Amino acid sequence: QSVLTQPPSVSAAPGQKVTISCSGSSSNIGNNYVSWYQQIPGTAPKFLIYENNQRPSGIPDRFSGSKSGTSATLGITGLQSGDEADYYCGTWDSSLSAVVFGGGTKLTVL
Amino acid sequence: QVQLVQSGAAVKKPGASVKVSCKPSGYSFTTYHINWVRQAPGQGLEWMGWINPYNGNTNYAQKLQGRVTMATDTTTNTAYMELRSLRSDDTAVYYCARYHYDILSGFSYWGQGTLVTVSS
Repeated sequence: QSVLTQPPSVSAAPGQKVTISCSGSSSNIGNNYVSWYQQIPGTAPKFLIYENNQRPSGIPDRFSGSKSGTSATLGITGLQSGDEADYYCGTWDSSLSAVVFGGGTKLTVL
Repeated sequence: QVQLVQSGAAVKKPGASVKVSCKPSGYSFTTYHINWVRQAPGQGLEWMGWINPYNGNTNYAQKLQGRVTMATDTTTNTAYMELRSLRSDDTAVYYCARYHYDILSGFSYWGQGTLVTVSS
């Protein structure tokens, strides 16, 4: 059971927009930055978003992040087949003194 | 450019130990903590802990306390993660990772992963 809660799967057609939610509590998302990762099966996670809504260099602006209270959201616009992957949110949990991740969301581009 | 290169796959019997290495390059080794994250087959990411190469301080996930040891060798700029008393549910891909600025900013660089299989 993951500390952060994500939907197991989401899907949308090419060119459309999709959002992935990540729900936590005041000890994690509520008081710490959220980061997001993309993982294509068989490869290491890729850094997508940090500090809730910042994109590392090289990440297209089709990817966006936001946070409100104890929840965070990853948005992807202009969906492409190459976006099919698992997506994870992560943050620091001040009560556990540990990094915590969501269980992951599988994105299918129909 | 920053790279983290890990040791190769390992197969271990239950009760044995495994030691995985991680050799970063492209930045000053003692500037950033090295974190370890594992992923069981078909499962999500699980943070195992970090080590500060500057002073050797560690912070382990409570679940692994007593079975895991993280260490660094500043003469070879290599980080190590040793897991003891292996069980079948320790079968996973083990990643080392470096955070972006600090532990709050997420992991911007990852090793390629090391598959550890625990099987009798």
